[in-house]
Amino acid sequence: TQLLEQSPQFLSIQEGENLTVYCNSSSVFSSLQWYRQEPGEGPVLLVTVVTGGEVKKLKRLTFQFGDARKDSSLHITAAQPGDTGLYLCAPSRDEYGNKLVFGAGTILRVKS
Amino acid sequence: NAGVTQTPKFQVLKTGQSMTLQCAQDMNHNSMYWYRQDPGMGLRLIYYSASEGTTDKGEVPNGYNVSRLNKREFSLRLESAAPSQTSVYFCASSEPGQGFHEQFFGPGTRLTVL
Repeated sequence: TQLLEQSPQFLSIQEGENLTVYCNSSSVFSSLQWYRQEPGEGPVLLVTVVTGGEVKKLKRLTFQFGDARKDSSLHITAAQPGDTGLYLCAPSRDEYGNKLVFGAGTILRVKS
Repeated sequence: NAGVTQTPKFQVLKTGQSMTLQCAQDMNHNSMYWYRQDPGMGLRLIYYSASEGTTDKGEVPNGYNVSRLNKREFSLRLESAAPSQTSVYFCASSEPGQGFHEQFFGPGTRLTVL
């Protein structure tokens, strides 16, 4: 089983601040996904990063895949209350090509 | 398209009672999954079905059974509920042959076992 460690576990910030959350593993991934889960809802895919060193931007969110494809980060610029939620990372496929293993996630609370 | 639907949304059981959680998807996906989510532990896979007619255990299968009724429906059964099964249950589906295996999740079932 591929273990994913996400940090920090919990982050509470004021609106307008910047933040970075991390997803780390000792395994190499062919690709990695980030999901956001809002309170009372199921997770929704934000992005898939595929190439080592890749940077993808989604409005104020910037996702980076490590050069060695073992880690990833999510940076949010000028956080807004609507960014509040649980951020989860997961490899797109495990070694069997099917089930996903999710990290425990980072709970983000953005206060207005 | 409704995506992934789950019923019921909320359920309270007494220890020892049984129940079935229903899940259906209308995206013609081959793969379906059941997860449980507990505080601080993220999503843990209970069972999955790679395709119609197949099911496999995930990380935490004990106390659960599943049925892949057809391509659309995947149910999760608790035969004798225990307080340790209090959790939020999510069903998901994906099409492994498309893109990077995005999973689509339902809204969840919040289960309390007293």
